Amino acid sequence: AQKVTQAQTEISVVEKEDVTLDCVYETRDTTYYLFWYKQPPSGELVFLIRRNSFDEQNEISGRYSWNFQKSTSSFNFTITASQVVDSAVYFCALSEGMDSSYKLIFGSGTRLLVRP
Amino acid sequence: AAGVIQSPRHLIKEKRETATLKCYPIPRHDTVYWYQQGPGQDPQFLISFYEKMQSDKGSIPDRFSAQQFSDYHSELNMSSLELGDSALYFCASSLQQGYGYTFGSGTRLTVV
Repeated sequence: AQKVTQAQTEISVVEKEDVTLDCVYETRDTTYYLFWYKQPPSGELVFLIRRNSFDEQNEISGRYSWNFQKSTSSFNFTITASQVVDSAVYFCALSEGMDSSYKLIFGSGTRLLVRP
Repeated sequence: AAGVIQSPRHLIKEKRETATLKCYPIPRHDTVYWYQQGPGQDPQFLISFYEKMQSDKGSIPDRFSAQQFSDYHSELNMSSLELGDSALYFCASSLQQGYGYTFGSGTRLTVV
């Protein structure tokens, strides 16, 4: 069965520090998709990235970067030079088609607090 | 660009009442998903529709039902509401399953 684990419940950093949010997933499918979402205090789910299982290239977008390692079933997210506006709950999610409608399975989330 | 529209944004109901949440997906998106997010929890999948047919079902209580209409909008009906139903309910739509999901802003349901 598919599962997403975000072991870090809460992380607190000081502004300008780098921070990495961990995500480990389980799936039996060979074709799957991984996502990161940001949920600020206002509650909406903000899409950050989608990665398919055949694309292990790391990605950088501004201060955000993602490290996908199939060998360890991990899809970690790093924020460089964190800012107060990065404070939010971050969810890693998995989507697969085996016995499923490609619904998203979310991890339990990591609450990031960036202090000034 | 058009987004996923959910209505209402906020809803307060009493126990044992009924609530109906609406979702208007992005035009031409063929799949709709409903999620429930309790306080401090991650979003949990409830149910999905592909081309107006139910395609998958999660831990949706029997008191809840949903459907997708001919114009592709979807409604989540919740009856005999309980205090534990208080949550943020998200709808998401997708053009191609697995490719990407656009979430609505959610409906915050409070049962008192």
